[in-house]
Amino acid sequence: QVQLVESGGGVVLPGRSLRPSCAASGFSFSHYGMHWVRQAPGKGLEWVAGMSYDGSNQFYADSVKGRFTISRDNSKNTLYLLMNSLTTEDTALYFCVKDTYSSGRGGFDIWGQGTMVTVSS
Amino acid sequence: QSVLAQPPSASGTPGQTVIISCSGSRSNLGSNYVYWFQQFPGAAPKLLIHKNDQRPSGVPDRFSGSKSGTSASLDISGLRSEDEADYYCAAWDDSLSGQVFGGGTKLTVL
Repeated sequence: QVQLVESGGGVVLPGRSLRPSCAASGFSFSHYGMHWVRQAPGKGLEWVAGMSYDGSNQFYADSVKGRFTISRDNSKNTLYLLMNSLTTEDTALYFCVKDTYSSGRGGFDIWGQGTMVTVSS
Repeated sequence: QSVLAQPPSASGTPGQTVIISCSGSRSNLGSNYVYWFQQFPGAAPKLLIHKNDQRPSGVPDRFSGSKSGTSASLDISGLRSEDEADYYCAAWDDSLSGQVFGGGTKLTVL
């Protein structure tokens, strides 16, 4: 069945880096845009970054632009999010999400279960 | 402050119809499809409505969506206790070149 499984979260010091990943299965990963969406404890959903099916276009929320980089390896059916210069404001559950379109400008349909990132000294 | 505006809470009794609104602008709801998600505590969001008014297979027909101009709504008819959850709207925003969410609506079944 269609599945997204995130991994690579954890506890990290402010200013450090982390790179969670998302393994996709059950669909043609290389045909669809993909995204990361986060949810801070007790808060709503916040879109973080997205990318087109082939990686040629990336999109970022202002809150992470210049610090986070989204990437994908279609040969491994895997999505990544390199997070640099982390602050306590980045503490959240990070979801990997499939787009309904190849461009990455559509909407979300399939969600992973999330990986928790905690930034704390 | 979310780009899409939703009421923070809504409520109804079993059997009633509840309507959750989502208000945006020309660059998001006015130009692109709206999507609706349901989220239970401790769980990942689940797609309820896509492309304004389309229900994925498995979603009960008690859930329906609509959009007009820069506003959208999610209607839940025949309210049930298991509908108690958080509901979010989302859309692509052409001006921001990114996805935007509503702040979420917490539905309580009285």
